[in-house]
Amino acid sequence: GQNIDQPTEMTATEGAIVQINCTYQTSGFNGLFWYQQHAGEAPTFLSYNVLDGLEEKGRFSSFLSRSKGYSYLLLKELQMKDSASYLCAVRLTGGGNKLTFGTGTQLKVEL
Amino acid sequence: SQTIHQWPATLVQPVGSPLSLECTVEGTSNPNLYWYRQAAGRGLQLLFYSVGIGQISSEVPQNLSASRPQDRQFILSSKKLLLSDSGFYLCAWSDWGGSADGDEQFFGPGTRLTVL
Repeated sequence: GQNIDQPTEMTATEGAIVQINCTYQTSGFNGLFWYQQHAGEAPTFLSYNVLDGLEEKGRFSSFLSRSKGYSYLLLKELQMKDSASYLCAVRLTGGGNKLTFGTGTQLKVEL
Repeated sequence: SQTIHQWPATLVQPVGSPLSLECTVEGTSNPNLYWYRQAAGRGLQLLFYSVGIGQISSEVPQNLSASRPQDRQFILSSKKLLLSDSGFYLCAWSDWGGSADGDEQFFGPGTRLTVL
């Protein structure tokens, strides 16, 4: 089976930096995605890693270590609007471009 | 640009009633299409995916079915709803996934289904 683990909840302060970790054990691997989901809304794509290392996109960065089955999403200069659930998803090998999602990390940004 | 539509936005149905949720995509051809369900406080569970017209793969045994009658139309159905079918249903599309790019999935606005 496929197993993707993320912390359930995190709290951080506006203006700070927060790191959301994701570990995975899957039968195949062909890339890792991070999505943001505000309450009651659809997930929106944040980042994609397929090779080891750091990918930076503005205030958001994502890191991948394939040998360790580990990724993190780094959010800098936190804003209140960053309060949301952050979903880690692994694309499996094989057809269909299928994703297996973790249960998500609920981030609360406080003043 | 590409857009994805789902309807209805919300739905309340009695147990045992039928279900039909529709998803359409604009601005792309031959997309991969996906149906997910998200139960309250849970992650996204892939229900069905389709790589072409009439091609449906089921990921989880259940009383739901999916069809793809046209290239950019994906329908989720049930003949008799169960209480456990309640949830947030999301349709998504992606390119075929074979390129060097991420080919991320893009989600529609979702349908919130309550079965009473």
